[in-house]
Amino acid sequence: ETGVTQSPTHLIKTRGQQVTLRCSSQSGHNTVSWYQQALGQGPQFIFQYYREEENGRGNFPPRFSGLQFPNYSSELNVNALELDDSALYLCASSRKTSGGPSTDTQYFGPGTRLTVL
Amino acid sequence: AQTVTQSQPEMSVQEAETVTLSCTYDTSESDYYLFWYKQPPSRQMILVIRQEAYKQQNATENRFSVNFQKAAKSFSLKISDSQLGDAAMYFCAYRTFMAGGTSYGKLTFGQGTILTVHP
Repeated sequence: ETGVTQSPTHLIKTRGQQVTLRCSSQSGHNTVSWYQQALGQGPQFIFQYYREEENGRGNFPPRFSGLQFPNYSSELNVNALELDDSALYLCASSRKTSGGPSTDTQYFGPGTRLTVL
Repeated sequence: AQTVTQSQPEMSVQEAETVTLSCTYDTSESDYYLFWYKQPPSRQMILVIRQEAYKQQNATENRFSVNFQKAAKSFSLKISDSQLGDAAMYFCAYRTFMAGGTSYGKLTFGQGTILTVHP
């Protein structure tokens, strides 16, 4: 069974640039959630994707957007990067049944460390 | 909105001894899930244990067990026979349980507790 993978491991960008982070879900999972974790803090929910659509969103501005592909992998895109976007970005996958909640536990990838200069 | 509070920024324990990490949460819901995740310096968030709110029995996973007090909204983690590999940041997390097509399983995390294990 393949776990959740993320790429790249580290990324350095400058303010105003755009970035794309990638996540491959665990085998058998169809839902992907993204979290932002500032240094020394708990992760904050950004959004979740199910059936290639955004299925819930936290308190993040529209410049944070995402995609989910037919193979359940996902991308997180951040436009107009700001210094405060520097963080560890975590992807988590789980399994959701049609018409029901995501009852399965979320399993996390190793994260992408984004630094904005 | 749900909130999760971990009041211990740091804890330490001697190898082979027992330590308890505290977590409290606030919610108006009756059905939900609670989790403890461990995040070592490698950054990978690893599931330690899960508790369903409708279950009165406390969850256990080998050396890890919880004390779930629903009325008090308390969810502490006990680590027995602590090992050097247990050193990490520990996060308590809450997830709602909602039926319906548009529900989603957002995790709400606490601020974390850094656990140091001394040899």
